[in-house]
Amino acid sequence: DVKVTQSSRYLVKRTGEKVFLECVQDMDHENMFWYRQDPGLGLRLIYFSYDVKMKEKGDIPEGYSVSREKKERFSLILESASTNQTSMYLCASTGGGPGYGYTFGSGTRLTVV
Amino acid sequence: DQQVKQNSPSLSVQEGRISILNCDYTNSMFDYFLWYKKYPAEGPTFLISISSIKDKNEDGRFTVFLNKSAKHLSLHIVPSQPGDSAVYFCAASGSEKLVFGKGTKLTVNP
Repeated sequence: DVKVTQSSRYLVKRTGEKVFLECVQDMDHENMFWYRQDPGLGLRLIYFSYDVKMKEKGDIPEGYSVSREKKERFSLILESASTNQTSMYLCASTGGGPGYGYTFGSGTRLTVV
Repeated sequence: DQQVKQNSPSLSVQEGRISILNCDYTNSMFDYFLWYKKYPAEGPTFLISISSIKDKNEDGRFTVFLNKSAKHLSLHIVPSQPGDSAVYFCAASGSEKLVFGKGTKLTVNP
């Protein structure tokens, strides 16, 4: 079974802090994604990556950046955390065609105070 | 502009009855459609998918129907069980990138 591991389940950070969310997958998948989930808004794509050192903006990239130095690891960075970035963050990966869908991590509940 | 729409934010059914979750899409280039299930404080898990060349796919209690002319798909769960209570996301793909609906919260009452 593919495993996607997000380093923290819960995080509390202060406004203005730089925040790193880490995601690791163990199945040699090329494609990795970061989403945030908010009530009533569903899953919104922040950034994705098709290969090492490659990144593409999703629908809501403002206030975020990403890093993919190794194939298995995809990091989401909040440059200066704000309260409107309080959310559930979900990492996903896929290596198959679109019919295989994504494998998601368990999520990181981030609260910015 | 929402390309994948789930117009019902919530649905409540009795245990043993059928649950029908609906999803509409606007992009005719989508060629795969998927359903995900999500429990609170967990990541979504893949449930079932259907290719645009089919109109039905079954997996146990779960069946997905696709009506391409209406750009509509539905997920049927029969019989519904209390453990099915979760948020269900419809997703569509025309590439490696999935587009998700906003989700429908299903509650199955014992």
